Amino acid sequence: IAGITQAPTSQILAAGRRMTLRCTQDMRHNAMYWYRQDLGLGLRLIHYSNTAGTTGKGEVPDGYSVSRANTDDFPLTLASAVPSQTSVYFCASSEKGGRNIQYFGAGTRLSVL
Amino acid sequence: AQSVTQLDSQVPVFEEAPVELRCNYSSSVSVYLFWYVQYPNQGLQLLLKYLSGSTLVKGINGFEAEFNKSQTSFHLRKPSVHISDTAEYFCAVSDAGGSQGNLIFGKGTKLSVKP
Repeated sequence: IAGITQAPTSQILAAGRRMTLRCTQDMRHNAMYWYRQDLGLGLRLIHYSNTAGTTGKGEVPDGYSVSRANTDDFPLTLASAVPSQTSVYFCASSEKGGRNIQYFGAGTRLSVL
Repeated sequence: AQSVTQLDSQVPVFEEAPVELRCNYSSSVSVYLFWYVQYPNQGLQLLLKYLSGSTLVKGINGFEAEFNKSQTSFHLRKPSVHISDTAEYFCAVSDAGGSQGNLIFGKGTKLSVKP
């Protein structure tokens, strides 16, 4: 069972460029999430989706967009990257509802120069 | 809205010693509580969770945590740590009454186990 697959593993990106981080899950979970992890700040929620076709904003959504065309995929797009978006990005999925465990991918390390 | 405070950013400890990682939360509603562990260059994985019932919950790798509602705490403990427990530990909460599963994380505690 693969669980959550994120791609790429790492990326160096020039400021101003567009970038899409990919996330695919094979657990048929309803809910999916994108977090960014920064030193000393823990994980902060960027966007989430409770079910295919719906998305919502998290704590730090500015500069990011998501789509949820189907159950399995939840791509995160940076339309015009800025250096402050240098971070490690984690995708997660769970069954819908606060009592359920979130399963995390291995992360994408993004550097914006 | 909820918030989570992990009181120690780093905890160094010798192998086979006991350890406690502290977590306090703030919420106006009932919450579910979680501890996740992140090994170097990996994603997070669940250690344990409290949903309801017994306030002492046991997780993987010999860890346990106790929910204390009056002190709004959910401290993580292990009686004897191993080198392999070196990792970053995150406490998290979610809204027990909501339909969404959004987690609010603390800033993490780095546990360093020394031989």
